[in-house]
Amino acid sequence: AQSVSQHNHHVILSEAASLELGCNYSYGGTVNLFWYVQYPGQHLQLLLKYFSGDPLVKGIKGFEAEFIKSKFSFNLRKPSVQWSDTAEYFCAVNLSGGYQKVTFGIGTKLQVIP
Amino acid sequence: KAGVTQTPRYLIKTRGQQVTLSCSPISGHRSVSWYQQTPGQGLQFLFEYFSETQRNKGNFPGRFSGRQFSNSRSEMNVSTLELGDSALYLCASSAGLAGGGANVLTFGAGSRLTVL
Repeated sequence: AQSVSQHNHHVILSEAASLELGCNYSYGGTVNLFWYVQYPGQHLQLLLKYFSGDPLVKGIKGFEAEFIKSKFSFNLRKPSVQWSDTAEYFCAVNLSGGYQKVTFGIGTKLQVIP
Repeated sequence: KAGVTQTPRYLIKTRGQQVTLSCSPISGHRSVSWYQQTPGQGLQFLFEYFSETQRNKGNFPGRFSGRQFSNSRSEMNVSTLELGDSALYLCASSAGLAGGGANVLTFGAGSRLTVL
């Protein structure tokens, strides 16, 4: 079955530390990849997306993610986190072509300590 | 433009009752997806509707159902509520057509259901 795995369920970092959140998927075929973020008390919102082309994509607030097809991975990175990055981060995947359901990972709660 | 609107925001039911949740998508979006969010389980896909037709379905029991109206508004219904149905139910809309951009979901605030 198609699935999305996020390896770190809870991450605690100090401000200015670098961040990398892992995401792996098991899909056969071409995929669309997403990272969504849910700030405390707010809606889930899109952080960045990959459809095709340059495997290094940049999103809002200094976040970026790299698609490595051979590793079925789409890890999220930020060189220096801020307290305001405290949130829950979700990786999501769906198959390209037509419209297929978007499957989400279990989420990673990031806590940034000032 | 207005975002995705979900009603009610909070509700409390007892076991055995049924509940109906409503979702109004972004104007022009024809696809509505429903997810169940619980701590430790992330977002579990329930179903997706496009032009009044269920196009995708998750692995939930038949007690969970939905529909979409001609104006793209959608409702989901849960019958014979169980304690385990307590969750945040999220609705998301998208253009819903082929092409990566059409798959970008815009979420509502959710309806938090508590079953006692």
